[in-house]
Order: sequence, then structure tokens, then C-alpha cells
Amino acid sequence: DTGVSQDPRHKITKRGQNVTFRCDPISEHNRLYWYRQTLGQGPEFLTYFQNEAQLEKSRLLSDRFSAERPKGSFSTLEIQRTEQGDSAMYLCASSPGQGVGETQYFGPGTRLLVL
Amino acid sequence: AQSVTQPDIHITVSEGASLELRCNYSYGATPYLFWYVQSPGQGLQLLLKYFSGDTLVQGIKGFEAEFKRSQSSFNLRKPSVHWSDAAEYFCAVGAPEADKIIFGKGTRLHILP
Repeated sequence: DTGVSQDPRHKITKRGQNVTFRCDPISEHNRLYWYRQTLGQGPEFLTYFQNEAQLEKSRLLSDRFSAERPKGSFSTLEIQRTEQGDSAMYLCASSPGQGVGETQYFGPGTRLLVL
Repeated sequence: AQSVTQPDIHITVSEGASLELRCNYSYGATPYLFWYVQSPGQGLQLLLKYFSGDTLVQGIKGFEAEFKRSQSSFNLRKPSVHWSDAAEYFCAVGAPEADKIIFGKGTRLHILP
């Protein structure tokens, strides 16, 4: 068990560019979550997957954001036409089962800075 | 909808002193309650969680939390802090019928030598 990994760990981009982040969950975890964390705030839920199905999206997830988990394993989060307000830490978590009671295991995050 | 409040943004304690971090939640019934810790450069790590049963929950690293329904609170405690406990602590709440948890804004713990 190598834990949840995220790539890249840091990303600096210019406003208007597209960026893509990758999350590799713990093997055989069928739930995968994406969160955004800004300075001085706790993680805010963005979306989650049950296997390859995206089951819920937060209203925080504008049309510029898209997430996929094509084979039920790794996931990608893409932000199109980045804005300075997108600067944040993007966290991924996975859990072995369904329901809020299952422990979520977090990755180290991808820190995005939009110039 | 559920929500969670952590009233203290920063807490400073001396090494070896006791610690209590406050957490209040809003939910109509008994929710799932969690405490996570985030150290610099590290991912969030679960300290403990409460669903039902004994209202005093033991976690990792010597932490415990007590669920008090009458006060809608789930405060985190440790009898004697170590310098390595300096980190940010997040309380979180989840409704049993939901599939996501809501985090508080966090309390940053500073340890004086």
C-alpha cells in the first residue's frame, strides 16, 4: 500500500492556460474524491467517483472544470482557461467502500498558482 | 444541511501542556464526526472518527475526542502535547445519508518549547 499519490505536486501556469492533475488512489479503493483547499480554509468538496461513475459535483465545479476516472483507477482533474481565483491546493482522497463513514485517505495535494 | 465550526483559528500551547481544540457542528441528528491533521507538506491524516456508541473516542497519536450531543460539540483533546503535534487540525462532519464530508476551517496549533 503506497498511499494516494498526486502529480504534479506543484504547478505554476499563466491565466488562460489549461492544466491537468492526476490522482492515483490506493489500489482497489472504489471511491475517489477531489477537494479544493484555499489558504486559511478547510478542504471543500468538488466531486467524487464510485469506480468510473461520477456521482456528484459541487456547484464550486464550474464548466471550466472536468474530472474523469476512465477505468475506475486513476483520476484526472482538468481546469480550462485558468483564472487567478483557481489558485489553490487540489486534494484527492480515496476510500475502500461506500458511504460517508468510510475513512478517506488523502494524497499530498497539487498546489496550483495561476499568474 | 450539515455544517461545522472551529471557533479558534490559532491555538498556542507549551510542550507538555494539555490541549483542547473545539468543534461545533450543525445537523438535525447524530452525524459522523471526524478529526483530521495536516502537517506541512503532508496530506490530511485521520486522527479519529465517531459514529455511535461510546461518546469518548480514542485516536492515534494519543488524541481523543468527546461527542456531546447536548452541546453539538466534538472537541479534540490530548493530555500532553509534543513539538511534533504542531500542525493544522480539521474537524469534519458527514450526514449518514450523504456521500461527502464537510470540513471546518481548521485550527492551527503552535507549540512553545
